[in-house]
Amino acid sequence: GAGVSQSPSNKVTEKGKDVELRCDPISGHTALYWYRQSLGQGLEFLIYFQGNSAPDKSGLPSDRFSAERTGGSVSTLTIQRTQQEDSAVYLCASSRDRGSYEQYFGPGTRLTVT
Amino acid sequence: DQQVKQNSPSLSVQEGRISILNCDYTNSMFDYFLWYKKYPAEGPTFLISISSIKDKNEDGRFTVFLNKSAKHLSLHIVPSQPGDSAVYFCAASALTGGGNKLTFGTGTQLKVEL
Repeated sequence: GAGVSQSPSNKVTEKGKDVELRCDPISGHTALYWYRQSLGQGLEFLIYFQGNSAPDKSGLPSDRFSAERTGGSVSTLTIQRTQQEDSAVYLCASSRDRGSYEQYFGPGTRLTVT
Repeated sequence: DQQVKQNSPSLSVQEGRISILNCDYTNSMFDYFLWYKKYPAEGPTFLISISSIKDKNEDGRFTVFLNKSAKHLSLHIVPSQPGDSAVYFCAASALTGGGNKLTFGTGTQLKVEL
């Protein structure tokens, strides 16, 4: 079946605007993760969903960041009042269930805040 | 605090020779380790993994070695091929109630030259 998809692939926004990033996980995968990769850095964990609930939000950098998941499938990451330091590649990954170690990544959304 | 470290940002190897990528970690709670490969403008792709109860896992040209006492793992690619040129990320996981969030190193850019 299809892999993890993300949209948009690129987003340029002005400082202070809100943005929404979308993730479509692999069908049937119950676990969903958001990460981000800033320039020259490794991937940084943001939030984990099991079904529609988010038992681990510990990686969200500030209260400007929020995420939801509906129907146990699509997830949206929202960044309010964007700042230049939010510029990064945002990656979504899914895995079969919470006990599965292998995560399958989407291509990412490159966010640039000007 | 960087819990997973890849101290070599780049590595250049001749085609046909062995590539050895190294990774160190500090968190003794990590119980599973993974290597991901990433091409530009794509998401990371799972390559190979190893549980903390093993010291070696092999899959074709790829072998991962784990030295728990040294908190060190390495990925061996032999023979190296030009298509192996990519960024390689080491990742570690500790299964918690919050799923299997991965902690990544900063990556090593491998270049396999003809």
